[in-house]
Amino acid sequence: KAGVTQTPRYLIKTRGQQVTLSCSPISGHRSVSWYQQTPGQGLQFLFEYFSETQRNKGNFPGRFSGRQFSNSRSEMNVSTLELGDSALYLCASSLVQGMNYEQYFGPGTRLTVT
Amino acid sequence: QKEVEQNSGPLSVPEGAIASLNCTYSDRGSQSFFWYRQYSGKSPELIMFIYSNGDKEDGRFTAQLNKASQYVSLLIRDSQPSDSATYLCAVNEGYQKVTFGIGTKLQVIP
Repeated sequence: KAGVTQTPRYLIKTRGQQVTLSCSPISGHRSVSWYQQTPGQGLQFLFEYFSETQRNKGNFPGRFSGRQFSNSRSEMNVSTLELGDSALYLCASSLVQGMNYEQYFGPGTRLTVT
Repeated sequence: QKEVEQNSGPLSVPEGAIASLNCTYSDRGSQSFFWYRQYSGKSPELIMFIYSNGDKEDGRFTAQLNKASQYVSLLIRDSQPSDSATYLCAVNEGYQKVTFGIGTKLQVIP
């Protein structure tokens, strides 16, 4: 079974630009969630999609957005990049069946904003 | 603001010993909890999911949940050097909205 894939793995952008990150979940997983990890703030939840619908979102500004396609692949977009957006962006795909919970993270996209 | 508190460590234990990792949370209504392991430079890996008071065992790992006292712990029996990693405690607010602790760095000394 293929794992969660994220592209690109590394990105360097300039302040004010926008960026789109992609995540392909494990086959059969319909839930995709996104997280930001920084040394200062740790791991923080951005949003979650299930069957193309955003079901939950964290406390991030509206510059952070996402979407999910019918094949469960998901993208997140950050507009008007700020230096503080430099972080590792992780996506995870999940499958919940009753009280059994399965979740796998992708390798992440390292975003550097200069 | 929901909070998850962990000691950042490092927690050093000798090989073969039991490592005990602790976590407290602020929201008394929290229902389910995760423990993740994250090796340096790698993504987190879900190792335990617990929602009922008491113990849940999986191999060398035991998660303990006490909702009345609002704490979750993770015990690692027969610790191995390969267990050296950062362990993240997290509270599930539903639909993968998870609040993470800062993580405890565990060092298993051979």
